[in-house]
Amino acid sequence: ETGVTQTPRHLVMGMTNKKSLKCEQHLGHNAMYWYKQSAKKPLELMFVYSLEERVENNSVPSRFSPECPNSSHLFLHLHTLQPEDSALYLCASSQDGALDTQYFGPGTRLTVL
Amino acid sequence: RKEVEQDPGPFNVPEGATVAFNCTYSNSASQSFFWYRQDCRKEPKLLMSVYSSGNEDGRFTAQLNRASQYISLLIRDSKLSDSATYLCVVFTGGGNKLTFGTGTQLKVEL
Repeated sequence: ETGVTQTPRHLVMGMTNKKSLKCEQHLGHNAMYWYKQSAKKPLELMFVYSLEERVENNSVPSRFSPECPNSSHLFLHLHTLQPEDSALYLCASSQDGALDTQYFGPGTRLTVL
Repeated sequence: RKEVEQDPGPFNVPEGATVAFNCTYSNSASQSFFWYRQDCRKEPKLLMSVYSSGNEDGRFTAQLNRASQYISLLIRDSKLSDSATYLCVVFTGGGNKLTFGTGTQLKVEL
């Protein structure tokens, strides 16, 4: 059983809604990540947090806003999304940086209407 | 050229067959390589890291060829439970970048 949990598992939202995705890791890791997985596309790294500081932001639109209040929790705040943002959003953690093995959560399947 | 390229498949093989996947990467400065497995509608899970000398874990063998910039995954004696998508992952330290391939789908049939 994975040590990384995500809620909710499924989310349907309108383009004007505001929602948040939550990720929690129980592995004592120092780095956490948000990925987006769309159909027929590779996983896209969105954000990296190491020791609660954002170290990577891969040109993600501002309608996605991450928050890392501590090393165990990671949020992705969603605001005025577009239908093309519908995807599986995966959270992952690793002991340190990206060099380490990453452990993924089960993902949140997001549908934007 | 894509940073990490994989044949999407699907590879349909009978149970017991040996199957091999290749993955090519474009950045010669890439440092670490991994194979992940992703079952349908589930999260990716690490299958194995890939070392320069090659490494084996049971029926699975991973190899790295830095000169030609590819990694491979060999699965011997395929089981039905091996059916999944296999993701090639490359880490490049300079930009602290982890790049995933689109995955190769394997279907093992009776």
